[in-house]
Amino acid sequence: GAGVSQSPSNKVTEKGKDVELRCDPISGHTALYWYRQSLGQGLEFLIYFQGNSAPDKSGLPSDRFSAERTGGSVSTLTIQRTQQEDSAVYLCASSTSIKRHTEAFFGQGTRLTVV
Amino acid sequence: AQSVTQLGSHVSVSEGALVLLRCNYSSSVPPYLFWYVQYPNQGLQLLLKYTTGATLVKGINGFEAEFKKSETSFHLTKPSAHMSDAAEYFCAVSETQGGSEKLVFGKGTKLTVNP
Repeated sequence: GAGVSQSPSNKVTEKGKDVELRCDPISGHTALYWYRQSLGQGLEFLIYFQGNSAPDKSGLPSDRFSAERTGGSVSTLTIQRTQQEDSAVYLCASSTSIKRHTEAFFGQGTRLTVV
Repeated sequence: AQSVTQLGSHVSVSEGALVLLRCNYSSSVPPYLFWYVQYPNQGLQLLLKYTTGATLVKGINGFEAEFKKSETSFHLTKPSAHMSDAAEYFCAVSETQGGSEKLVFGKGTKLTVNP
């Protein structure tokens, strides 16, 4: 596609439910990143993938968060047993190389609301 | 670890006035610095970046930023604000860890342009 695509654009879920957020990166981009944007908190790094491998998982806030990437393309961020503090906008970005983050392109994000 | 401080979570200017958004960083190595802009309900878009070389960097939409090592600053300026510049602006530094890079963002500055 022309840009990074994220779905759904909005998600409202009940506390305790699991959610899956999807990211379709730009075709051919090997590096993929997930960030979380909370009100007044800026952007928080969650995880990145080089191909299907995630060498840096240090940003995941708890073991309720997990992510995978298949075929070097689509990535899914899963949040289990959601809590109200998980409410945020989750942004995905992709770039041609992990060494060249300067070329990262961001999707429009998924706004998650936990009620 | 690198960090970014953006002074002023909200900045308001009149149309045609100078725009100055402040960014200070901390880094133990020569930094790569970025400014991104986020329009309402949109993803982040790269405005400009500094890697090496000329310390005055020009970006899109008439914005520019100057890297000042002695002041550890990378302030964003535009001589004359336009209504379409109203958005949130994020300063970021590229952090190298374990051979890979990720962006560390400031908390953002929301720019309002008054007619």
